[in-house]
Amino acid sequence: QVQLVESGGGVVQPGRSLRLSCAASGFTFSDYGMHWVRQAPGKGLEWVAVIWYDEINKYYADSVKGRFTISRDNSKNTLYLQMNSLRAEDTAVYYCARDGGGTSYPLDYWGQGTLVTVSS
Amino acid sequence: SYELTQPPSVSVSPGQTASITCSGDKLGDKYACWYQQKPGQSPVLVIYQDTKRPSGIPERFSGSNSGNTATLTISGTQAMDEADYYCQAWDSSSYVFGTGTKVTVL
Repeated sequence: QVQLVESGGGVVQPGRSLRLSCAASGFTFSDYGMHWVRQAPGKGLEWVAVIWYDEINKYYADSVKGRFTISRDNSKNTLYLQMNSLRAEDTAVYYCARDGGGTSYPLDYWGQGTLVTVSS
Repeated sequence: SYELTQPPSVSVSPGQTASITCSGDKLGDKYACWYQQKPGQSPVLVIYQDTKRPSGIPERFSGSNSGNTATLTISGTQAMDEADYYCQAWDSSSYVFGTGTKVTVL
């Protein structure tokens, strides 16, 4: 079965960096686009970034553009999110999710999330 | 940037029908998806491509999308359906989530 397991979250000071990982299994990782979505405490879902299966096409939310970088290693079935210049408003649970493709691009499988807390 | 607006809350009695709306400019020209999120859990896809249900999602969940509004309908609502629901659409290489609706089963 499809499994997505995030790791790398923790407490980090404002302005510092953190890298999240998402280990995928149960499907052919290299065939699917992958997303990061975050949820601040008590708030709604916010899409962060997507990387297509080819590792080349990447898109970001305006709120993270220029600070965050999404990448993947298809040989390791792993998705990454490099987060630089972190701010207090980046505090959230970060989920990785698979893009189901097709015509509506649903996020059809989600990980359990990893909590990032930006605080001095 | 594109925005999707949902009512903050919807209340429904057990066995009745709950309707959750999602409004966005010309949303009917795009495809809408819906996610259910229970407290402390990850979101689960319940509707994609406006009307389709993933495997394992009960038939009581249905969707529609026309004009500026997409709608998630839960027929014969059960206590287990109490959760937050989010719509989502894809617009110009950007994925947008709705503001979210808390469904309470009274």
